[in-house]
Amino acid sequence: GAGVSQTPSNKVTEKGKYVELRCDPISGHTALYWYRQSLGQGPEFLIYFQGTGAADDSGLPNDRFFAVRPEGSVSTLKIQRTERGDSAVYLCASSLYVGASGYNEQFFGPGTRLTVL
Amino acid sequence: QQQVKQSPQSLIVQKGGISIINCAYENTAFDYFPWYQQFPGKGPALLIAIRPDVSEKKEGRFTISFNKSAKQFSLHIMDSQPGDSATYFCAGEGAGSYQLTFGKGTKLSVIP
Repeated sequence: GAGVSQTPSNKVTEKGKYVELRCDPISGHTALYWYRQSLGQGPEFLIYFQGTGAADDSGLPNDRFFAVRPEGSVSTLKIQRTERGDSAVYLCASSLYVGASGYNEQFFGPGTRLTVL
Repeated sequence: QQQVKQSPQSLIVQKGGISIINCAYENTAFDYFPWYQQFPGKGPALLIAIRPDVSEKKEGRFTISFNKSAKQFSLHIMDSQPGDSATYFCAGEGAGSYQLTFGKGTKLSVIP
């Protein structure tokens, strides 16, 4: 079946502009995650959705970053007033939900490479 | 605070050799430890994972060794192949947190 897809694969923008990054999770996966991966680093957690609500947004670096998942499927990560330091690969992952006592494999998409000039 | 420290940063292994990557964690709330494999231009993919109630888990050529008292765990790749050349990340997750905390990664190159 289809995996997690992310669009666009690459995004180049100018400092100060607004960008939206889209994630289509695996069908049936209720949990969705956003991570940011800077060059030479491991992915860093940004936000986690269970259904439509953001269950944990503790990783969002500041209020320029916002994410939505209005219908519990597709998610959009929104970055306002982009800065050069926002340049990174933004990864989306999804998983089945098993509750607080279990663990589910997080399936990652290929990422969106954001470059802020 | 880097909660998962991974070493080495890069590793070159001869085909057929054993690749060993080490990780140490600080957060005692972690109780799930996956290893992810990432090829260039792709997202990370789960390779193997372990819970701290066992000291070792083996799947094919891949083995995780876990030392709870030392808060360390390692990935061993037996009979390493050129197709194993990728970046490997260890991670930790606490019960109910859903956040994976990753190490910085190890770039493995397996040469023929």
